[in-house]
Amino acid sequence: DVKVTQSSRYLVKRTGEKVFLECVQDMDHENMFWYRQDPGLGLRLIYFSYDVKMKEKGDIPEGYSVSREKKERFSLILESASTNQTSMYLCASSPPRVATRGELFFGEGSRLTVL
Amino acid sequence: TQLLEQSPQFLSIQEGENLTVYCNSSSVFSSLQWYRQEPGEGPVLLVTVVTGGEVKKLKRLTFQFGDARKDSSLHITAAQPGDTGLYLCAGAGGTYKYIFGTGTRLKVLA
Repeated sequence: DVKVTQSSRYLVKRTGEKVFLECVQDMDHENMFWYRQDPGLGLRLIYFSYDVKMKEKGDIPEGYSVSREKKERFSLILESASTNQTSMYLCASSPPRVATRGELFFGEGSRLTVL
Repeated sequence: TQLLEQSPQFLSIQEGENLTVYCNSSSVFSSLQWYRQEPGEGPVLLVTVVTGGEVKKLKRLTFQFGDARKDSSLHITAAQPGDTGLYLCAGAGGTYKYIFGTGTRLKVLA
């Protein structure tokens, strides 16, 4: 069974804290993505990576950074969490080049609350 | 900026009713996908449509890609409580990017 696993389902952090969200996929996919999901806004792309150590900004990268040191692992980092980063964070992976027609495989999500 | 607008945003219907969800954009997409997300889970792919005018059926769900590849619809026949969830359309917005719609939250009452 293919799987994308996110390290934490629920997190509560305080303003200014550093937050790490980790994602691991077991499908040997080249592409990995971090999305943020808010009601009425759908999914918005924060960052994506098409290869190890490669990263590209998505639509809302401000306040976030990412790390991809190994093919199977993609981490999202909030250097200094703020209340407006309270949200559901979804990690996804997809196979290469057929990415635009290929399936996105999502993790179960990490719900982050920043107090 | 490419945007995908979905309508309606919320839909609550009785079991057995039919419904249609729309996904519209002013941009052309090379392909479009529909996902369903259940509470506490990530979205799961239902279908990918590629050709303008294409119609795909998945049991009681019918998906159509507009002729100009700017819009799509999802029609559910005889909805069941198991169809409850958040429906998301996603357009291929470049080599790697997917542009997601705003979502339609469907509740089917028994």
